[in-house]
Amino acid sequence: QVQLVQSGAEVRKPGASVKLSCKASGFTFTSYYMHWVRQAPGQGLEWMGVINPTGGGTTYAQKFQGRVTMTVDTSTTTVYMDLSSLRSDDTAVYYCARGSGGSYKVGSVGYWGQGTLVTVSS
Amino acid sequence: QSVVTQPPSASGTPGQRVTISCSGSSSNIGTYAVNWYQLLPGTAPKLLIYSGNQRPSGVPDRFSGSKSGTSATLAISGLQSEDEADYYCAAWDDRLNGWVFGGGTKLTVL
Repeated sequence: QVQLVQSGAEVRKPGASVKLSCKASGFTFTSYYMHWVRQAPGQGLEWMGVINPTGGGTTYAQKFQGRVTMTVDTSTTTVYMDLSSLRSDDTAVYYCARGSGGSYKVGSVGYWGQGTLVTVSS
Repeated sequence: QSVVTQPPSASGTPGQRVTISCSGSSSNIGTYAVNWYQLLPGTAPKLLIYSGNQRPSGVPDRFSGSKSGTSATLAISGLQSEDEADYYCAAWDDRLNGWVFGGGTKLTVL
């Protein structure tokens, strides 16, 4: 069965960076785009970007360009999301999610990790 | 302020049919199919509808999606108490070059 297992909760000070992981199993890892989405407390969902595990090509949301880096390790079927220059409003639950196999612009984004809480506080 | 707009709240009684709207523009819903998600507190989003009107396996056929022009609608028929949750629409946006989510609709089952 498809599983996305994310790394544990993190606490960072403003200005620091955080790198989250998402280990995939139960499907052909290189056949599906992988997305990152976050939800701040009391707020809605916010798309951060997508990575193609085949080749590592990325598309980032304009809001996060320059601060976010998504990478992939096909040997361990793990995707990573690195967010730098953290601010208090980056406090959120961060999710990885499996996209479709055909296009990152449409289709099912139906399997989600359990989420990782990142708290940014001085 | 999202480029895709949802009503902040909706409500219905058990057994009723309710709809939740999602209004966008030509750069998003007008061009691309819409996904709908259900969020329960403390849990990951659950995909209800993708590509406009497709249901993943396991999602009851009480949930359906449609689109007209630059707006999409999620319909829930035979409303049940466990449907009380937050619902989000999402679509790709060419202008922003990314997925955009609606602001979410809190559904209350009276």
